[in-house]
Amino acid sequence: TQLLEQSPQFLSIQEGENLTVYCNSSSVFSSLQWYRQEPGEGPVLLVTVVTGGEVKKLKRLTFQFGDARKDSSLHITAAQPGDTGLYLCAGGPSYNTDKLIFGTGTRLQVFP
Amino acid sequence: GAGVSQSPSNKVTEKGKDVELRCDPISGHTALYWYRQSLGQGLEFLIYFQGNSAPDKSGLPSDRFSAERTGGSVSTLTIQRTQQEDSAVYLCASSLAIYEGPGELFFGEGSRLTVL
Repeated sequence: TQLLEQSPQFLSIQEGENLTVYCNSSSVFSSLQWYRQEPGEGPVLLVTVVTGGEVKKLKRLTFQFGDARKDSSLHITAAQPGDTGLYLCAGGPSYNTDKLIFGTGTRLQVFP
Repeated sequence: GAGVSQSPSNKVTEKGKDVELRCDPISGHTALYWYRQSLGQGLEFLIYFQGNSAPDKSGLPSDRFSAERTGGSVSTLTIQRTQQEDSAVYLCASSLAIYEGPGELFFGEGSRLTVL
């Protein structure tokens, strides 16, 4: 069974601080996605990374896929209250399946 | 509608009763997924469909859980003889699935199930 462990599980910070969320597995993934979920809603895709070592930037968010395709990180610069939510990584186990496995989640709270 | 639609949005049932949860995906999306989420935690994979077929149903917790998809569109998740541990939010998602591996998933707002 392929598992994706996220750390930290909870994060409370002040507006303007930087933070990093980690997504780790012992298994290799063909691709890695990051989603954000707000209360009462379904998760919404932030980014997809597909190449080992790939780095993608989305405004203040930087996503990295590990060289070995087993881990990923999300770095937020100068966090804002609007960044508050549940962040979820999700991995595709292989190219031959559309199955997507989600991580354990990181709940971020940014205080003004 | 334009998005993934799930019904009911809330369901309260008594232990031992059967429940059906419905998912109406985005038109044209060939892949459909069911996940379970407890207390705002991560998503637990249940099953996914490619068209009307379910290539992977390995996440279904027990034989009390079943799902079907008809006409490559609407899907129903059925839980028989519900137990209190089945209480959770059941999320449905759909995807175009035109790439190798999973594409972007579009989620519904979920069906919150409470088993008393």
